Amino acid sequence: DAKTTQPNSMESNEEEPVHLPCNHSTISGTDYIHWYRQLPSQGPEYVIHGLTSNVNNRMASLAIAEDRKSSTLILHRATLRDAAVYYCILLIYNQGGKLIFGQGTELSVKP
Amino acid sequence: DAGVTQSPTHLIKTRGQQVTLRCSPISGHKSVSWYQQVLGQGPQFIFQYYEKEERGRGNFPDRFSARQFPNYSSELNVNALLLGDSALYLCASSLVGGYTFGSGTRLTVV
Repeated sequence: DAKTTQPNSMESNEEEPVHLPCNHSTISGTDYIHWYRQLPSQGPEYVIHGLTSNVNNRMASLAIAEDRKSSTLILHRATLRDAAVYYCILLIYNQGGKLIFGQGTELSVKP
Repeated sequence: DAGVTQSPTHLIKTRGQQVTLRCSPISGHKSVSWYQQVLGQGPQFIFQYYEKEERGRGNFPDRFSARQFPNYSSELNVNALLLGDSALYLCASSLVGGYTFGSGTRLTVV
């Protein structure tokens, strides 16, 4: 099965950019890269997704390596509300669209 | 707009019992997926249903089963509960692209 690898934890200062890395060397050509975040006692919340090209939305940016074996989630200005566990996920398109979660990165934001 | 609704929010069961968890997707979403999240780990895929048909099944024993109803709501059933089934069970619905998750059902097996 495809998998993702992320650092267990990262720390950031408030109002500074944060770069969350993810390796997915076993990704196949039709798998999408998704990022979700999760607060305690809540379900995961969608952040962003992409296939090959870099993507931007109001929450974040997603930079995808040319060989697609790694990606980086970029939060442009971290706020205290961004503290959460961030999951890098592969959406396996040819298996009905199931999500393969990694272990996640716990992001803490210091004021 | 109502999000994905799961019930109950918490429950405690005894080993060997059976449990049914319920999920109501966002209006208009025809796909429902179930995930199990053990404490400290990422969610693991259990099932996906689309238009009442099973589209995917994760690596879980046959004690786990699910179904989707004509109104697209879904139930997850777990028989012969084991201590290791204690987890947060998440339901997600989707239309196209991103998935929306509910807040989950916290199942404790004692």
